[in-house]
Amino acid sequence: AQKITQTQPGMFVQEKEAVTLDCTYDTSDQSYGLFWYKQPSSGEMIFLIYQGSYDEQNATEGRYSLNFQKARKSANLVISASQLGDSAMYFCALPTGTASKLTFGTGTRLQVTL
Amino acid sequence: SAVISQKPSRDICQRGTSLTIQCQVDSQVTMMFWYRQQPGQSLTLIATANQGSEATYESGFVIDKFPISRPNLTFSTLTVSNMSPEDSSIYLCSVWDHARPGEPQHFGDGTRLSIL
Repeated sequence: AQKITQTQPGMFVQEKEAVTLDCTYDTSDQSYGLFWYKQPSSGEMIFLIYQGSYDEQNATEGRYSLNFQKARKSANLVISASQLGDSAMYFCALPTGTASKLTFGTGTRLQVTL
Repeated sequence: SAVISQKPSRDICQRGTSLTIQCQVDSQVTMMFWYRQQPGQSLTLIATANQGSEATYESGFVIDKFPISRPNLTFSTLTVSNMSPEDSSIYLCSVWDHARPGEPQHFGDGTRLSIL
């Protein structure tokens, strides 16, 4: 069964600093991917970044990048140059096979301070 | 990516009543899903809405409580039946519109439901 673990319920970071949000996973699939979503207090889910298990390089998308360590089964999200608007819940998610059903981690609440 | 319109955005309902949530997409999509997010919790998949056939429910969710329709490839509804305070949650629809790896699910803005 798929399992996603986010061990940091809450994180604080100062504006303009970088922050790493942890995500570990367990899957029996040989080929898989991991998604990160942001959920502001308004409630919508915003797709941030995707990492495929066979991608040769770590994914990057603007200020977002993934520290993907396949052997450790971790896919940590790095946000560089934090902004006040980055304050939100962040969820890591793992799709189930070809059905694309998502299993979500418990989330990390990030607070960016001045 | 597809534009998803979810209605209502929020509602306050009396226990024992039912509410139908609509999810409209501006293009045909392969798959549509319904999720529940209880207060302070993560998202949990309720069911996959199948076009022209019965939805596929996840463990712990049943059709009598959460009937789902999907009459075409752009529209789905979720009904929360015989509501109780425990049903107070955010309900989100999502779509997956390309059958290729790495294509993310895109979500509607959610329906915040409070039961009195």
